[in-house]
Amino acid sequence: TQLLEQSPQFLSIQEGENLTVYCNSSSVFSSLQWYRQEPGEGPVLLVTVVTGGEVKKLKRLTFQFGDARKDSSLHITAAQPGDTGLYLCATLGNYGQNFVFGPGTRLSVLP
Amino acid sequence: NAGVTQTPKFRILKIGQSMTLQCTQDMNHNYMYWYRQDPGMGLKLIYYSVGAGITDKGEVPNGYNVSRSTTEDFPLRLELAAPSQTSVYFCASSPGGIATNEKLFFGSGTQLSVL
Repeated sequence: TQLLEQSPQFLSIQEGENLTVYCNSSSVFSSLQWYRQEPGEGPVLLVTVVTGGEVKKLKRLTFQFGDARKDSSLHITAAQPGDTGLYLCATLGNYGQNFVFGPGTRLSVLP
Repeated sequence: NAGVTQTPKFRILKIGQSMTLQCTQDMNHNYMYWYRQDPGMGLKLIYYSVGAGITDKGEVPNGYNVSRSTTEDFPLRLELAAPSQTSVYFCASSPGGIATNEKLFFGSGTQLSVL
């Protein structure tokens, strides 16, 4: 089973600051997904990246897939309290079309 | 738009009791999954199903059972609850198409405590 590492584990910032969180593995990703999970809810898919070097933007969120497809980053510009949540990266696992999840980065954006 | 619906939202069990976590989806998805989420550990796959009548074990199946009699429903059964099963349980579904385009749709979870 591919193991995913995420850093940092926790991040607390003020509204308006920028931040970057990371996801990496010792193995090559076939594809990588980023999910956001709000308290008391299930994860919601933000983006899927497939091609090495790929960059995708979703409003203030920028997702980058490493050239070697072993790492990915999520950058948030001008963070808002609504960005608070647990950010999970995931990649295809070994069961059906299951996804294996990293432990997550818990982000808190203070007003 | 109901999506994936899980019940109950919260439950407290005594050691040795049994219960069924309900999950239903209205998106006609072929694939359904049960995950558990422990603090700092990400989500771990318990069981999955690729269609009605077909189920298989995931990474952490011990102590659990599932069935899939219809496309819509995928209940998770705990037979003899143990404190190690204290966790948040998520049901998810996906269409089951091209793997790199797959998207998981999650329910809102069941928080289970075994005391």
